[in-house]
Amino acid sequence: QVQLQESGPGLVKPSETLSLTCAVSGYSISSGYYWGWIRQPPGKGLEWIGSIYHSGSTYYNPSLKSRVTISVDTSKNQFSLKLSSVTAADTAVYYCAMSGAITYWGQGTLVTVSS
Amino acid sequence: NFMLTQPHSVSESPGKTVTISCTRSSGSIASNYVQWYQQRPGSSPTTVIYEDNQRPSGVPDRFSGSIDSSSNSASLTISGLKTEDEADYYCQSYDSSNWVFGGGTKLTVL
Repeated sequence: QVQLQESGPGLVKPSETLSLTCAVSGYSISSGYYWGWIRQPPGKGLEWIGSIYHSGSTYYNPSLKSRVTISVDTSKNQFSLKLSSVTAADTAVYYCAMSGAITYWGQGTLVTVSS
Repeated sequence: NFMLTQPHSVSESPGKTVTISCTRSSGSIASNYVQWYQQRPGSSPTTVIYEDNQRPSGVPDRFSGSIDSSSNSASLTISGLKTEDEADYYCQSYDSSNWVFGGGTKLTVL
C-alpha cells in the first residue's frame, strides 16, 4: 500500500518561501501517476495547488501559478513544493497526494505564516 | 473554467439514505471523471468514489456514485447511514489537467 508523508517547517515568516517535501513509500514515483499538493485553510475547504506527472510535466492552479514550483526527486522517491512570497492567507494544512484512478492522501502538515 | 457546487450541509438519521449533489457550472459533467472524498474531523481526506461510480476496496457498498447529464451534476448516495459516516464530503473533477474541488458538504447523522 502506498504511503505519503509530508515534512517541512511548521512556521514560515511572511514574504518568505514555504518549502515542503512528500516522501513516498510503497510505490516508485518514476513508475507513473500524478503527484500533487492540496491545501486546506483552517475551517475551510480543499484547494488544489498543483501536480506533477512522473515524467516531470507540471500543472499549477492559475491563482497560485506565479508563486508555485513542484519538483520530483526520483533518487529519493519524493516530491516537493515551494510557495514563494507567503502571507497569512497561505496558512493551511498542506496535503500531498498520489493520483491515479484512486487518489491516496498524506496525513497533512500544518503550516502557519506568521512573524 | 468551471465550478462545482455542493450543498453546505445535509443531515439525516441513522439507517436512512442521503444524497449529496455536486453541480458543474459549465461544460458537461460527463466530460471528466468525478471523485468523492470523505474527511472525518481531524483526519486527511480518503477516496470513497472514483471515476464517477467506482468504489475503492474497503469502502462499503453503502456508498455509491452517479452522474446525471440532465442536471449536469454528480451525486454521492450513502444508504443505511451510520454515525461513523458523519464527515465532510468533497467532490472533485478535472479542468484539463487541473483539479477542481467542490466547496464541501458537512453530513450530520443524528
